[in-house]
Amino acid sequence: QKEVEQNSGPLSVPEGAIASLNCTYSDRGSQSFFWYRQYSGKSPELIMFIYSNGDKEDGRFTAQLNKASQYVSLLIRDSQPSDSATYLCAVAGGGADGLTFGKGTHLIIQP
Amino acid sequence: DTEVTQTPKHLVMGMTNKKSLKCEQHMGHRAMYWYKQKAKKPPELMFVYSYEKLSINESVPSRFSPECPNSSLLNLHLHALQPEDSALYLCASSWTSGPGDEQFFGPGTRLTVL
Repeated sequence: QKEVEQNSGPLSVPEGAIASLNCTYSDRGSQSFFWYRQYSGKSPELIMFIYSNGDKEDGRFTAQLNKASQYVSLLIRDSQPSDSATYLCAVAGGGADGLTFGKGTHLIIQP
Repeated sequence: DTEVTQTPKHLVMGMTNKKSLKCEQHMGHRAMYWYKQKAKKPPELMFVYSYEKLSINESVPSRFSPECPNSSLLNLHLHALQPEDSALYLCASSWTSGPGDEQFFGPGTRLTVL
């Protein structure tokens, strides 16, 4: 069974600092990796995706993938209070459709 | 149009009621999904439709019945639900059901079963 693990937090980061969110996955056949942000009471919003080993940058966000270690991370630079949310790591592939989500990390950016 | 819409936003129903949730997208996506999310938990996949055919049913109880009338519409018919079925029901869509395609979520329907 595919498993995706995240530290549930809360992770508290000062405003302007770098927030680092981590995720590990169990299925070596996984092919695609997604980071969703979810505000309380709202639906998940896709913020980053990555397929290849290495880094992928989009504005203040950087996703990092290491398939050998089965590890995905999300860095948020210049953290803002509006970044406070739950960040869900999701994995696709390995012979199954749909996404398998981790439990999410609750991020708090302190003004 | 780059969004997934869901109706209703909120639904309260008794255990003997029959109701339906509706999802619509006009992005030309050929895969659509239903997820269930309980409070403080991640979304869990329920159903996948690929080119209007049901491709995955994640052992969901028969009191949930999906329907995909066309490539833009997805319904979830509810009958004889239990209080533990109360949750946020999320619809998502993607170009195909392949692992490389990003899934975009609608705002969800918050369901309460009394």
